[in-house]
Amino acid sequence: DADVTQTPRNRITKTGKRIMLECSQTKGHDRMYWYRQDPGLGLRLIYYSFDVKDINKGEISDGYSVSRQAQAKFSLSLESAIPNQTALYFCATSDDSTDTQYFGPGTRLTVL
Amino acid sequence: RKEVEQDPGPFNVPEGATVAFNCTYSNSASQSFFWYRQDCRKEPKLLMSVYSSGNEDGRFTAQLNRASQYISLLIRDSKLSDSATYLCVSGSARQLTFGSGTQLTVLP
Repeated sequence: DADVTQTPRNRITKTGKRIMLECSQTKGHDRMYWYRQDPGLGLRLIYYSFDVKDINKGEISDGYSVSRQAQAKFSLSLESAIPNQTALYFCATSDDSTDTQYFGPGTRLTVL
Repeated sequence: RKEVEQDPGPFNVPEGATVAFNCTYSNSASQSFFWYRQDCRKEPKLLMSVYSSGNEDGRFTAQLNRASQYISLLIRDSKLSDSATYLCVSGSARQLTFGSGTQLTVLP
């Protein structure tokens, strides 16, 4: 079984809809991250959390919100989706002893 | 200026060739350095960490030059399965910054 899972894997939605992407991990890591990836721009950090009471904005947090429901779960919400939020979204985790990050399989989101 | 810059390629090399990728980072406070590999439409996966003394893992050798803020990856005896995008990464305990990636295709 995968250590970091993301649901859904693919989603097509319309402008203005509220979308939630979910991430779960069985690695026991405290740190969790949400990134988006666009062609030619690489991975950009949206939000990160170092424990259930710690939420931090990343490079591109506008238009997004997150919730850390438990150590193992970190969800990303788009309150009102817009077409330029069409991208590949990755969740990642890391532990406190190393900066190495482990990624989920990604969610491909298309906003029409 | 991007915080981590890489040549996007593509690099097309024959099987068995040696290929080198370079990367520069702008944040002199960075403490951690990595190379990740990403296959098309898949998640990035750790290839190797990069240490100041240089390190080797089989056919892969990584080097770090802190004075020049420069990271390199050398792949020897390229295999078809090495075809992927290689992401250069620098950062610290709170955040990692990923380069846009260098695309490698190994040709038969």
